[in-house]
Amino acid sequence: AQSVTQLGSHVSVSEGALVLLRCNYSSSVPPYLFWYVQYPNQGLQLLLKYTSAATLVKGINGFEAEFKKSETSFHLTKPSAHMSDAAEYFCAVSDQDAAAGNKLTFGGGTRVLVKP
Amino acid sequence: KAGVTQTPRYLIKTRGQQVTLSCSPISGHRSVSWYQQTPGQGLQFLFEYFSETQRNKGNFPGRFSGRQFSNSRSEMNVSTLELGDSALYLCASSPQGAGADTQYFGPGTRLTVL
Repeated sequence: AQSVTQLGSHVSVSEGALVLLRCNYSSSVPPYLFWYVQYPNQGLQLLLKYTSAATLVKGINGFEAEFKKSETSFHLTKPSAHMSDAAEYFCAVSDQDAAAGNKLTFGGGTRVLVKP
Repeated sequence: KAGVTQTPRYLIKTRGQQVTLSCSPISGHRSVSWYQQTPGQGLQFLFEYFSETQRNKGNFPGRFSGRQFSNSRSEMNVSTLELGDSALYLCASSPQGAGADTQYFGPGTRLTVL
């Protein structure tokens, strides 16, 4: 079974500083990888996804992530944090096996606090 | 296009009751998935429906069930509610239900079991 690990359940950054959220997956076959963001009392919104194309993926709101097969990682970064980035971020994977449909397995989430 | 809608947004029930939650996917999307979100267990997959058929199921008891209608709208039902069923229930839709598809999430239904 797939599993996803997000290192750090809470991250605090200063406005303007680098945001780095870590995600590692466990799978011998690279899955499809996603980063979602959740604002309070809302559903999840896709930031970006990796589907076997370019290993450096650019998403919305200035976020990007790099797929590293050798490290089974898909870390999310943003060069300069903004107050509006305060939210909870989830890394998720889905299987490339068509029979698995599009079931997402999520990491535990990382809550980002942005300090002025 | 309108996004994924879920009704009701908030629900309060008592133990032993049953509840039905509704999800309307984005127009043209054929796959609907349901997830449970709790502080302790995080986000967990419940089931996925595609063309009115349950294609995948998570590790939840039989009290959790669902269905999909011909217009792709979906409902999930929880019978004999337990306190631990209190959660945010999220519905997501995608065009074909393929692994690479982006899933679009609704705002969720917040269920509180007393």
